[in-house]
Amino acid sequence: DTEVTQTPKHLVMGMTNKKSLKCEQHMGHRAMYWYKQKAKKPPELMFVYSYEKLSINESVPSRFSPECPNSSLLNLHLHALQPEDSALYLCASSPWGVSQGPQHFGDGTRLSIL
Amino acid sequence: SQQGEEDPQALSIQEGENATMNCSYKTSINNLQWYRQNSGRGLVHLILIRSNEREKHSGRLRVTLDTSKKSSSLLITASRAADTASYFCATKSGGSNYKLTFGKGTLLTVNP
Repeated sequence: DTEVTQTPKHLVMGMTNKKSLKCEQHMGHRAMYWYKQKAKKPPELMFVYSYEKLSINESVPSRFSPECPNSSLLNLHLHALQPEDSALYLCASSPWGVSQGPQHFGDGTRLSIL
Repeated sequence: SQQGEEDPQALSIQEGENATMNCSYKTSINNLQWYRQNSGRGLVHLILIRSNEREKHSGRLRVTLDTSKKSSSLLITASRAADTASYFCATKSGGSNYKLTFGKGTLLTVNP
């Protein structure tokens, strides 16, 4: 079992739907991340939150909207996605508020866009 | 762009053999990390080596870092079928407090 919990594990949605991915950690980490991973590729960084503030947006399309309601929770709101957005979405967290140490990953949400 | 490039892209060995994976990177780094990803799962951190370190061990894992060549290697000794996974190197550069840049990964298959 991982210490970063992501829900749901699988999500199928149409291009007009609105859905949210959720991520939770209780390790006291103050940096949290969203990654997108396509099959047989490395993770690609999307967003970084530090102390609940958005620190990095890697030029992600606005149809992805992150939210960090508190230090333990990270959401990714999805709207009007495209088929190419189908991927594994990984959440991670790290200690000290900066990525000096290792990141802890959840098992991801596998997203399919119809 | 991807900082790290793993070599080989795929490696198939027999149980009990050693597996060596290499990673090259382009810019100066603060540290280099190795992660494992089992099929359908998230990444698991294996080992971190800082730029002023040359070698590090953790159980059956041995990591080396050569900053002059901008390369690192991960050695898994006495491999087991459970080691079958993708292995990624990831670099943290000094210019960013938060960003890890992942290499393309090596798919290791350990045959029983």
